[in-house]
Amino acid sequence: QVQLVESGGGLVKPGGSLRLTCAAYGLTLTEQYMTWIRQAPGKGLEWVSSVSNSVSGSVISYADSVKGRFTLSRDNAKNSMFLQVDSLRVEDTAVYYCTRGASKNAFDIWGLGTLVTVSS
Amino acid sequence: DVVVTQSPLSLPVTLGQPASISCRSSQGLVHNDGNTYLIWFHQRPGQSPRRLIYKVSNRDSGVPDRFSGSGSGTDFTLEISRVEAEDVGLYYCMQGTHWPPTFGQGTKVEIK
Repeated sequence: QVQLVESGGGLVKPGGSLRLTCAAYGLTLTEQYMTWIRQAPGKGLEWVSSVSNSVSGSVISYADSVKGRFTLSRDNAKNSMFLQVDSLRVEDTAVYYCTRGASKNAFDIWGLGTLVTVSS
Repeated sequence: DVVVTQSPLSLPVTLGQPASISCRSSQGLVHNDGNTYLIWFHQRPGQSPRRLIYKVSNRDSGVPDRFSGSGSGTDFTLEISRVEAEDVGLYYCMQGTHWPPTFGQGTKVEIK
């Protein structure tokens, strides 16, 4: 059964950092395009970052709102994807989801999400 | 970025009655490959989004046939033929034709 499981969220002060993890089961991450999407409390869905599959060169893209502060990476041995979130701002408070795909017929599989709360 | 606009943002419906949500994009969504990548998601309270429809009108596995998608160019519609209690929640449309993918604001469906 295909499953994505996020972890690593928590409460952090402005300027702090976290490392979010997306562990994949039943699919090989290097073969997939993968994406992080976030949802602020009571708000809509926002694309954050995507990585292409290995065949396409593992190209990584970021939303302008997080560029320079967030870093997406993968660990092939652990079949996991990470989102290092640095220099956090109050407006980064959200549930962060990992999902399969990046565009076109994307986002058919979602994890349950992990909550990042940025507050002093 | 392509702006996606949904309406209405709130939709009170009566059980057993039809419901319709509109989605408009600021640019046409026909991809160079000839496909139109317009997707609909449903998110129940406290849950992750679930993809319902892809490429305008294709239902995902397990999605009831009371859900249907239609449209072309910049105007798209999600219709529920007879609303059931489990259909409450937020509905989002998303365009996957132009980079980056962008979502509508969401439409909240609730039972009257």
